[in-house]
Amino acid sequence: DQQVKQNSPSLSVQEGRISILNCDYTNSMFDYFLWYKKYPAEGPTFLISISSIKDKNEDGRFTVFLNKSAKHLSLHIVPSQPGDSAVYFCAASDGSGGGADGLTFGKGTHLIIQP
Amino acid sequence: SQTIHQWPATLVQPVGSPLSLECTVEGTSNPNLYWYRQAAGRGLQLLFYSVGIGQISSEVPQNLSASRPQDRQFILSSKKLLLSDSGFYLCAIGGLEGGYTFGSGTRLTVV
Repeated sequence: DQQVKQNSPSLSVQEGRISILNCDYTNSMFDYFLWYKKYPAEGPTFLISISSIKDKNEDGRFTVFLNKSAKHLSLHIVPSQPGDSAVYFCAASDGSGGGADGLTFGKGTHLIIQP
Repeated sequence: SQTIHQWPATLVQPVGSPLSLECTVEGTSNPNLYWYRQAAGRGLQLLFYSVGIGQISSEVPQNLSASRPQDRQFILSSKKLLLSDSGFYLCAIGGLEGGYTFGSGTRLTVV
Protein backbone atom coordinates (compact mmCIF):
# COMPACT_ATOMS: atom_id res chain seq x y z
CA ASP A 1 0.00 0.00 0.00
CA GLN A 2 1.62 3.19 -1.18
CA GLN A 3 1.26 5.96 1.39
CA VAL A 4 2.79 8.69 -0.75
CA LYS A 5 1.67 8.87 -4.35
CA GLN A 6 2.98 10.83 -7.26
CA ASN A 7 0.59 9.91 -10.01
CA SER A 8 2.43 11.61 -12.85
CA PRO A 9 5.58 9.70 -13.81
CA SER A 10 6.61 12.56 -16.07
CA LEU A 11 5.75 16.17 -16.82
CA SER A 12 6.88 18.36 -19.69
CA VAL A 13 6.83 22.16 -19.28
CA GLN A 14 8.04 24.97 -21.48
CA GLU A 15 10.92 27.06 -20.19
CA GLY A 16 9.69 30.16 -18.38
CA ARG A 17 6.29 28.69 -17.55
CA ILE A 18 5.10 27.30 -14.25
CA SER A 19 5.77 23.68 -13.30
CA ILE A 20 3.33 22.08 -10.89
CA LEU A 21 4.19 18.73 -9.37
CA ASN A 22 1.57 16.96 -7.32
CA CYS A 23 1.69 14.54 -4.44
CA ASP A 24 -1.04 12.77 -2.46
CA TYR A 25 -0.73 10.91 0.81
CA THR A 26 -2.95 8.56 2.75
CA ASN A 27 -1.42 8.47 6.22
CA SER A 28 -3.03 11.13 8.40
CA MET A 29 -0.13 10.82 10.86
CA PHE A 30 2.26 12.47 8.42
CA ASP A 31 3.13 15.89 9.76
CA TYR A 32 6.14 16.97 7.73
CA PHE A 33 6.61 16.94 4.00
CA LEU A 34 9.64 17.39 1.83
CA TRP A 35 10.56 17.65 -1.82
CA TYR A 36 13.80 16.29 -3.18
CA LYS A 37 15.35 16.79 -6.57
CA LYS A 38 17.44 14.12 -8.20
CA TYR A 39 19.69 14.15 -11.24
CA PRO A 40 20.71 10.87 -12.89
CA ALA A 41 23.48 8.98 -11.08
CA GLU A 42 23.39 11.37 -8.14
CA GLY A 43 21.82 11.27 -4.71
CA PRO A 44 18.66 13.30 -4.13
CA THR A 45 19.12 16.81 -2.79
CA PHE A 46 16.73 18.54 -0.46
CA LEU A 47 14.67 21.25 -2.10
CA ILE A 48 11.96 22.53 0.20
CA SER A 49 9.80 21.33 3.08
CA ILE A 50 6.60 22.19 4.87
CA SER A 51 5.22 21.42 8.29
CA SER A 52 1.61 20.39 8.70
CA ILE A 53 0.94 23.55 10.71
CA LYS A 54 1.44 25.59 7.54
CA ASP A 55 -0.26 25.58 4.19
CA LYS A 56 2.44 27.29 2.18
CA ASN A 57 6.19 27.64 2.17
CA GLU A 58 8.17 29.63 -0.34
CA ASP A 59 11.86 29.65 -1.23
CA GLY A 60 12.83 31.64 -4.28
CA ARG A 61 11.28 30.09 -7.36
CA PHE A 62 9.94 27.15 -5.36
CA THR A 63 6.70 27.10 -3.41
CA VAL A 64 5.10 24.14 -1.71
CA PHE A 65 1.40 24.12 -0.91
CA LEU A 66 -0.23 21.76 1.56
CA ASN A 67 -3.93 20.94 1.68
CA LYS A 68 -4.36 18.76 4.75
CA SER A 69 -8.05 18.11 4.29
CA ALA A 70 -7.37 16.75 0.82
CA LYS A 71 -4.09 15.10 1.88
CA HIS A 72 -2.47 16.77 -1.06
CA LEU A 73 0.63 18.82 -1.60
CA SER A 74 2.11 20.43 -4.64
CA LEU A 75 5.39 21.98 -5.67
CA HIS A 76 5.31 25.04 -7.90
CA ILE A 77 8.38 26.16 -9.81
CA VAL A 78 8.16 29.61 -11.36
CA PRO A 79 9.68 30.34 -13.79
CA SER A 80 10.87 26.93 -14.92
CA GLN A 81 14.47 26.74 -16.11
CA PRO A 82 16.37 24.07 -18.05
CA GLY A 83 18.36 23.14 -14.93
CA ASP A 84 15.11 22.17 -13.26
CA SER A 85 14.90 19.08 -15.45
CA ALA A 86 15.23 16.25 -12.96
CA VAL A 87 13.22 13.69 -11.03
CA TYR A 88 11.32 15.18 -8.10
CA PHE A 89 10.44 13.06 -5.10
CA CYS A 90 7.78 13.90 -2.59
CA ALA A 91 8.46 12.56 0.91
CA ALA A 92 6.60 12.49 4.21
CA SER A 93 7.46 11.94 7.83
CA ASP A 94 5.27 11.04 10.77
CA GLY A 95 7.77 12.14 13.38
CA SER A 96 8.72 15.76 13.13
CA GLY A 97 11.58 15.21 15.53
CA GLY A 98 13.53 13.42 12.85
CA GLY A 99 11.68 10.12 12.92
CA ALA A 100 14.22 7.33 13.00
CA ASP A 101 11.95 5.08 11.03
CA GLY A 102 12.61 7.02 7.91
CA LEU A 103 10.87 9.08 5.32
CA THR A 104 8.26 7.64 3.00
CA PHE A 105 8.89 8.60 -0.60
CA GLY A 106 6.70 8.72 -3.65
CA LYS A 107 7.85 7.14 -6.89
CA GLY A 108 8.95 10.44 -8.32
CA THR A 109 7.97 12.66 -11.23
CA HIS A 110 10.39 13.28 -14.06
CA LEU A 111 10.17 16.96 -14.94
CA ILE A 112 11.36 17.91 -18.41
CA ILE A 113 11.79 21.58 -19.22
CA GLN A 114 11.46 22.24 -22.94
CA PRO A 115 13.41 25.16 -24.44
CA SER B 1 28.63 20.46 7.88
CA GLN B 2 27.63 16.87 7.32
CA THR B 3 29.16 14.94 4.47
CA ILE B 4 28.57 11.41 3.26
CA HIS B 5 31.04 9.24 1.41
CA GLN B 6 29.69 6.33 -0.53
CA TRP B 7 31.60 3.89 -2.70
CA PRO B 8 31.93 2.51 -5.21
CA ALA B 9 29.98 4.71 -7.61
CA THR B 10 29.23 1.82 -9.94
CA LEU B 11 29.46 -1.91 -9.55
CA VAL B 12 28.73 -4.85 -11.83
CA GLN B 13 28.46 -8.17 -10.05
CA PRO B 14 27.45 -11.66 -11.19
CA VAL B 15 24.44 -13.41 -9.72
CA GLY B 16 25.40 -15.31 -6.59
CA SER B 17 28.37 -13.16 -5.74
CA PRO B 18 28.70 -11.30 -2.43
CA LEU B 19 28.21 -7.57 -1.99
CA SER B 20 29.62 -4.95 0.32
CA LEU B 21 28.75 -1.28 -0.02
CA GLU B 22 30.22 1.16 2.44
CA CYS B 23 29.01 4.50 3.66
CA THR B 24 30.92 6.79 6.01
CA VAL B 25 29.85 10.13 7.36
CA GLU B 26 31.68 13.17 8.66
CA GLY B 27 30.72 16.28 10.55
CA THR B 28 28.25 14.66 12.90
CA SER B 29 28.14 12.18 15.74
CA ASN B 30 25.58 9.51 16.56
CA PRO B 31 23.59 10.12 13.37
CA ASN B 32 20.57 8.18 12.23
CA LEU B 33 21.72 6.38 9.09
CA TYR B 34 19.67 4.91 6.27
CA TRP B 35 20.05 2.71 3.23
CA TYR B 36 17.61 3.37 0.40
CA ARG B 37 17.29 1.73 -2.99
CA GLN B 38 15.93 3.30 -6.13
CA ALA B 39 14.79 0.63 -8.59
CA ALA B 40 13.04 1.18 -11.88
CA GLY B 41 9.43 2.18 -11.28
CA ARG B 42 9.77 1.77 -7.52
CA GLY B 43 10.82 5.20 -6.32
CA LEU B 44 12.96 5.32 -3.19
CA GLN B 45 12.55 2.30 -0.95
CA LEU B 46 13.83 2.25 2.62
CA LEU B 47 15.91 -0.87 3.23
CA PHE B 48 17.54 -0.39 6.62
CA TYR B 49 17.98 2.26 9.25
CA SER B 50 20.22 2.54 12.26
CA VAL B 51 20.01 4.78 15.32
CA GLY B 52 23.34 3.67 16.77
CA ILE B 53 26.25 1.26 16.68
CA GLY B 54 25.07 -2.29 16.23
CA GLN B 55 21.42 -1.22 15.97
CA ILE B 56 19.83 -2.14 12.66
CA SER B 57 16.19 -2.14 11.68
CA SER B 58 15.04 -3.76 8.47
CA GLU B 59 12.08 -2.47 6.52
CA VAL B 60 11.98 -4.94 3.66
CA PRO B 61 12.64 -8.69 3.92
CA GLN B 62 15.26 -9.68 1.37
CA ASN B 63 18.67 -11.21 1.00
CA LEU B 64 20.42 -8.00 1.99
CA SER B 65 21.77 -7.15 5.41
CA ALA B 66 23.25 -4.09 7.05
CA SER B 67 25.76 -3.47 9.80
CA ARG B 68 27.01 -0.49 11.74
CA PRO B 69 30.37 -1.39 13.21
CA GLN B 70 31.25 2.21 14.04
CA ASP B 71 29.28 5.33 14.78
CA ARG B 72 29.88 6.84 11.37
CA GLN B 73 30.09 3.71 9.24
CA PHE B 74 27.15 1.91 7.67
CA ILE B 75 27.61 -1.17 5.50
CA LEU B 76 25.17 -2.90 3.16
CA SER B 77 25.94 -6.53 2.39
CA SER B 78 24.70 -9.61 0.66
CA LYS B 79 26.05 -13.13 0.65
CA LYS B 80 24.52 -14.00 -2.71
CA LEU B 81 23.21 -11.37 -5.09
CA LEU B 82 20.04 -11.82 -7.11
CA LEU B 83 19.17 -10.17 -10.40
CA SER B 84 16.44 -8.27 -8.55
CA ASP B 85 19.07 -6.61 -6.36
CA SER B 86 20.05 -4.34 -9.23
CA GLY B 87 19.36 -0.71 -8.50
CA PHE B 88 20.74 2.56 -7.24
CA TYR B 89 21.68 2.37 -3.57
CA LEU B 90 21.73 5.49 -1.46
CA CYS B 91 23.04 6.10 2.02
CA ALA B 92 21.52 8.98 3.98
CA ILE B 93 21.97 10.84 7.25
CA GLY B 94 18.87 11.79 9.17
CA GLY B 95 18.52 15.46 9.89
CA LEU B 96 16.25 17.88 11.65
CA GLU B 97 12.53 17.41 11.18
CA GLY B 98 13.00 14.26 9.16
CA GLY B 99 15.07 15.75 6.38
CA TYR B 100 17.95 13.76 4.98
CA THR B 101 21.30 14.33 3.40
CA PHE B 102 21.96 11.71 0.77
CA GLY B 103 25.22 10.31 -0.50
CA SER B 104 26.05 10.21 -4.18
CA GLY B 105 24.84 6.63 -4.55
CA THR B 106 26.09 3.33 -5.96
CA ARG B 107 24.72 1.95 -9.22
CA LEU B 108 24.65 -1.83 -8.83
CA THR B 109 24.03 -4.04 -11.82
CA VAL B 110 23.70 -7.75 -11.19
CA VAL B 111 24.35 -9.81 -14.31
